[in-house]
Amino acid sequence: EAGVAQSPRYKIIEKRQSVAFWCNPISGHATLYWYQQILGQGPKLLIQFQNNGVVDDSQLPKDRFSAERLKGVDSTLKIQPAKLEDSAVYLCASSNVKGRNYEQYFGPGTRLTVT
Amino acid sequence: SQQGEEDPQALSIQEGENATMNCSYKTSINNLQWYRQNSGRGLVHLILIRSNEREKHSGRLRVTLDTSKKSSSLLITASRAADTASYFCAPDTGRRALTFGSGTRLQVQP
Repeated sequence: EAGVAQSPRYKIIEKRQSVAFWCNPISGHATLYWYQQILGQGPKLLIQFQNNGVVDDSQLPKDRFSAERLKGVDSTLKIQPAKLEDSAVYLCASSNVKGRNYEQYFGPGTRLTVT
Repeated sequence: SQQGEEDPQALSIQEGENATMNCSYKTSINNLQWYRQNSGRGLVHLILIRSNEREKHSGRLRVTLDTSKKSSSLLITASRAADTASYFCAPDTGRRALTFGSGTRLQVQP
């Protein structure tokens, strides 16, 4: 079974620029998560999708971050404009159990550096 | 807060020794999960223990759960250099997605 795919793996941008990350979850997984992990900290949930609907985006900085999951499969996370404090690893995860927090499968992440 | 807090923050042991890390949380849970993160394989699910279970084993891993104390422990027996990683607990309250603490950074010296 193929794992969660993310791209790009690394991205360096200047502050105030925009950036987009892509995630392809494990086939058949209805739930998709985006996390932000700052160096030395644990992953922090940004947004959770159930199919193509948003379940939880309470910690998503909506003035600059947006995410979508068209057709309930792939997802993109966008930052516009980026700030220095957005430098982090962005992790995508998926789960195949609807509405319940069973094990999550994580992608390799995208390391973003904002200069 | 729904996140778990891991203790200690860092742990260094010799290969072959056992490693124990602890997790405390504040609210009632449905289950508690442990994850490992290293540079090679990213964040990986290790084990899930349900609220009605007290102990669970998986290979060299042993997890205990004490819901009265709102705490869990992860024991890695006969540690290997490959166990070097950060370990996170994630309590599941059933109301929101998992939240992670800052983790325990385990260093296993060969």
